[in-house]
Amino acid sequence: SQQGEEDPQALSIQEGENATMNCSYKTSINNLQWYRQNSGRGLVHLILIRSNEREKHSGRLRVTLDTSKKSSSLLITASRAADTASYFCATDRDDYKLSFGAGTTVTVRA
Amino acid sequence: EPEVTQTPSHQVTQMGQEVILRCVPISNHLYFYWYRQILGQKVEFLVSFYNNEISEKSEIFDDQFSVERPDGSNFTLKIRSTKLEDSAMYFCASTPWAGDTQYFGPGTRLTVL
Repeated sequence: SQQGEEDPQALSIQEGENATMNCSYKTSINNLQWYRQNSGRGLVHLILIRSNEREKHSGRLRVTLDTSKKSSSLLITASRAADTASYFCATDRDDYKLSFGAGTTVTVRA
Repeated sequence: EPEVTQTPSHQVTQMGQEVILRCVPISNHLYFYWYRQILGQKVEFLVSFYNNEISEKSEIFDDQFSVERPDGSNFTLKIRSTKLEDSAMYFCASTPWAGDTQYFGPGTRLTVL
């Protein structure tokens, strides 16, 4: 299966702390995308990292990609209550359809 | 900022009825997709569409499903005879070119009774 798999399944942190979640996948990819989903709502695109990139930043988000280990990580720094959501990685092979993982549910406690 | 829009936000239908879910992709995008997410499960690819034809479809996308781009702005998903197991959130997505960021709409929650 091409699907990304996130780890951990759930994460609970204090406001102000950093949150790190990981994604592993099985075959070569064109790019990997991270999305956020608030409960029952739509998918908000966070960041795209291409297979020839190793790290990208966007605001408080940092994404790394290790193609040799077929893994990616998403770091959210200085978390806020509004970061409470489910986070998904989605891999895109050359067929350009996204394969999603099961997600990491992040709860930020005030 | 341009967004993908979807209507309706929630659709309730009886088993066996036809439903049409509507999407307006971002205007300069060329590739369009439908995904679905059954409650508590992963987001699953259904179909991709480019140049007025289906590029790829998943095993889920059987003869009961069809897609259409009837004009220059709308992109629709039709389910001919709904089943209970079609109950899910359906997401439309678009991207300017293959392999780029896919922008998702807010979804249509389909409930089949």
